[in-house]
Amino acid sequence: DQQVKQNSPSLSVQEGRISILNCDYTNSMFDYFLWYKKYPAEGPTFLISISSIKDKNEDGRFTVFLNKSAKHLSLHIVPSQPGDSAVYFCAARDTGTASKLTFGTGTRLQVTL
Amino acid sequence: NAGVTQTPKFRVLKTGQSMTLLCAQDMNHEYMYWYRQDPGMGLRLIHYSVGEGTTAKGEVPDGYNVSRLKKQNFLLGLESAAPSQTSVYFCASSFGRAEQYFGPGTRLTVT
Repeated sequence: DQQVKQNSPSLSVQEGRISILNCDYTNSMFDYFLWYKKYPAEGPTFLISISSIKDKNEDGRFTVFLNKSAKHLSLHIVPSQPGDSAVYFCAARDTGTASKLTFGTGTRLQVTL
Repeated sequence: NAGVTQTPKFRVLKTGQSMTLLCAQDMNHEYMYWYRQDPGMGLRLIHYSVGEGTTAKGEVPDGYNVSRLKKQNFLLGLESAAPSQTSVYFCASSFGRAEQYFGPGTRLTVT
């Protein structure tokens, strides 16, 4: 039973354009959502997060949107740069569970020149 | 400030052998976690600890044991390695907020 789903295994976007990565979840008890970025042979690095009481959080080129009624969140990267090419993981925290995170399966983003 | 470090970076084991993976953090974090990452599976939680001397099972704990004798260290043990434990193992730590900070990973192959 996959509680956090990333249905697109890969995405290719041209440099300068917008990248939109999507994530769906099923557990209504999730209270915090995060995006991690992972380069090959490295550990995941935290990118941006959003509390369940908000619907948008912005940090430079990165914006995360949360639609609680649809149990859907998305990460927008504008403008996309070649250095953004990586695997992006969506993660969610279940309230009251030692801050454990449930991860999606990841989306590989390729930003082309 | 090294953050989260993992030892070793690579290891090849034969079926039935045992080994211990070491995770160390210098951020004074209370919480520490062990994950495994397999192709198409994302990261899955093996065991976690909310403080020195405490450990708990995660989503996929079978075949693994852990210990947290010191706040800064979290050890993951495989008593009798199996090919199904071939994976990349990541350690993470946090203050208990949502954000976790990850180490660089250990690539383990069991033949």
